[in-house]
Amino acid sequence: KQEVTQIPAALSVPEGENLVLNCSFTDSAIYNLQWFRQDPGKGLTSLLLIQSSQREQTSGRLNASLDKSSGRSTLYIAASQPGDSATYLCAVKNTGNQFYFGTGTSLTVIP
Amino acid sequence: DTGVSQDPRHKITKRGQNVTFRCDPISEHNRLYWYRQTLGQGPEFLTYFQNEAQLEKSRLLSDRFSAERPKGSFSTLEIQRTEQGDSAMYLCASSLGLFTEQYFGPGTRLTVT
Repeated sequence: KQEVTQIPAALSVPEGENLVLNCSFTDSAIYNLQWFRQDPGKGLTSLLLIQSSQREQTSGRLNASLDKSSGRSTLYIAASQPGDSATYLCAVKNTGNQFYFGTGTSLTVIP
Repeated sequence: DTGVSQDPRHKITKRGQNVTFRCDPISEHNRLYWYRQTLGQGPEFLTYFQNEAQLEKSRLLSDRFSAERPKGSFSTLEIQRTEQGDSAMYLCASSLGLFTEQYFGPGTRLTVT
């Protein structure tokens, strides 16, 4: 069974700092990997989707990379803002139809 | 708003009662997923529909749980004889294809007292 781990579990940074969130997975036979943000008590908002054949995806201040062979993905957030404060989740899709989620990284950006 | 919607947003019920949740996916999405999320954890897969066919079910989906998507549009998730351990956020997601993004609804928070 796919196991997804996210490190760190929590992160607190001052506004303006660049930061990296990590996601690792045990089974490298994935179709794709998706990053989400979740605000307290809310649903998930899709940030970026990386297909297994891609190395990275960018959207605005966000850049996600994928190293399938080593079972790792990173989410880079540039020039962090207080509005970026949320829990960030990664999810991987193997053969089959379900996504496997990590437990998330709780990010706090201090003004 | 053409995103995924869920109803109700909150449900408080007494142990032993039955509850039903509804999910309306993005209209052109033929794939629909149900997840359960408890505090501090990531979502856990429950079940998956392609059109009206339920193609995959997790072992988490005990026989007290049933899901339907009768016309390949909206879906319902019913929990019979609720237990306190069923308290969680129930999330619905939809996607257009096998390799495309999943889009999530706001979730239904269930509290069993």
